[in-house]
Amino acid sequence: GAGVSQTPSNKVTEKGKYVELRCDPISGHTALYWYRQSLGQGPEFLIYFQGTGAADDSGLPNDRFFAVRPEGSVSTLKIQRTERGDSAVYLCASSPGLVETQYFGPGTRLLVL
Amino acid sequence: AQKVTQAQTEISVVEKEDVTLDCVYETRDTTYYLFWYKQPPSGELVFLIRRNSFDEQNEISGRYSWNFQKSTSSFNFTITASQVVDSAVYFCALSGTQGGSEKLVFGKGTKLTVNP
Repeated sequence: GAGVSQTPSNKVTEKGKYVELRCDPISGHTALYWYRQSLGQGPEFLIYFQGTGAADDSGLPNDRFFAVRPEGSVSTLKIQRTERGDSAVYLCASSPGLVETQYFGPGTRLLVL
Repeated sequence: AQKVTQAQTEISVVEKEDVTLDCVYETRDTTYYLFWYKQPPSGELVFLIRRNSFDEQNEISGRYSWNFQKSTSSFNFTITASQVVDSAVYFCALSGTQGGSEKLVFGKGTKLTVNP
């Protein structure tokens, strides 16, 4: 079946702009996770959803970052007033439920100029 | 707090050599899960294995094998008879089972280069 998909694959924006990154999980997966990966580092947790609600958003770096999953499927990560330090690959993963294997999408490479 | 350490930043081997990637973890959870993921140059993280803390049996899958030792908090990964296609960054990761700890904590990764 189809894996996790993420759009766009690449996004270039200017400092101060607003961006939205989209994640489409594997069909039927109830848990959805966002991670951020900087160059040469492992992925770092941002937020995860169980259904429509954010179960843990402790990894969001500040209030410029926000994520939603209104219908319990597709999720959007929103970044306001982007900064150059936000440049990274944003990874989305989904799993059938909690404490299950997470399957990752291809990521969105964000570059803030 | 949970932590994963992959002390080897980069490893370079010649094809057909065996190679072991080290992973050491820290957690206070009594029940937890350990993972290995592969990230080839294309960038997508590919799931390789998941083990729970109560299952210390070693596992073999083709040329891949994993050695889980709770006594030393290690979960090492061995590739036998390496191939050029094994070249990638390999990540070890840990997740707990207590509320709010389902997130994965990753090590910094080991970049493996297999030369022909």
